[in-house]
Amino acid sequence: DIVMTQSPLSLPVTPGEPASISCRSSQSLLHHNGNTYLTWYLQKPGQSPQLLIYLAFTRASGVPDRFSGSGSGTDFTLKISRVEAEDVGLYFCMQALQTPWTFGQGTKVELK
Amino acid sequence: QVHLEESGPGLVKTSETLSLTCTVSGGSFTDFFWTWVRQSAGKGLEWMGRVYSNGIANYNPSLTSRVTMSIDTSRNQFSLNLNSLTAADTAVYYCARVGKSGPYHVSLDHWGQGRLVIVSS
Repeated sequence: DIVMTQSPLSLPVTPGEPASISCRSSQSLLHHNGNTYLTWYLQKPGQSPQLLIYLAFTRASGVPDRFSGSGSGTDFTLKISRVEAEDVGLYFCMQALQTPWTFGQGTKVELK
Repeated sequence: QVHLEESGPGLVKTSETLSLTCTVSGGSFTDFFWTWVRQSAGKGLEWMGRVYSNGIANYNPSLTSRVTMSIDTSRNQFSLNLNSLTAADTAVYYCARVGKSGPYHVSLDHWGQGRLVIVSS
C-alpha cells in the first residue's frame, strides 16, 4: 500500500495569516496519463470530509481561491493564503493512484 | 446537487454481520464508482472498497475476506456487508461518490453524513 505521511499533525493558526500543510507519499503519484493523483480534504468539526483539491492542484467546485495545492511526485503542499475562522478542522491528503486508496493521518488546524 | 445518505444499525454484536445501505439522490448514478470509507480513532480514515454501477467491485486487501459491496441501480442504492465483526470495526462509516475528471476516477467528491456503528458483545 502507498503510505501517506502528513506534517505537522497539529497546526495553530492566526486568522488572516497563511498556513501550510505537507503531505508525502511513499511512491510517486504520477500516473502514466500525466495526472498526479493526490487529493486534499477538509473535515470540519461534526461534519463529513469535503473535497478541496484533486489532481494535486485543481480546486473543487465552490472551494475558495485562498486554498491552493502544489507539488509533484511524492511531495505535496496545501496552502491557505489567509486563514479564516471557518477553515478550522482536520485536513487529510489521499492518494487515488492505486487501490487501496490511502489517507494521511490528518492535520488538525485550530485557531491560536 | 448529489446527496448521499447512509442507513443501517448503529449497534451490532461481535461476530455478526454489518449491513449498511447508501441511497443516492440527484445527479447520475450510472457510470460512477461508489465507495465506502470508515473513520475510527485508532486507524484514521480507511478506504474499504468501491463498486461500479455495473456491479463490479474491488476491496481493500485488508478486508477482502470479510467485505462485500453491491449495487441496485433501480433504487439508486449501494450496500456494504462486513462480517465477523470485532470491536476494531467500531467506526463512523461513510459512503461517497468517486469523482471524475474527464474519463479518470480521481477523488471522493460527494460524501454522506456518516453512520456511527458500535460493535459490542
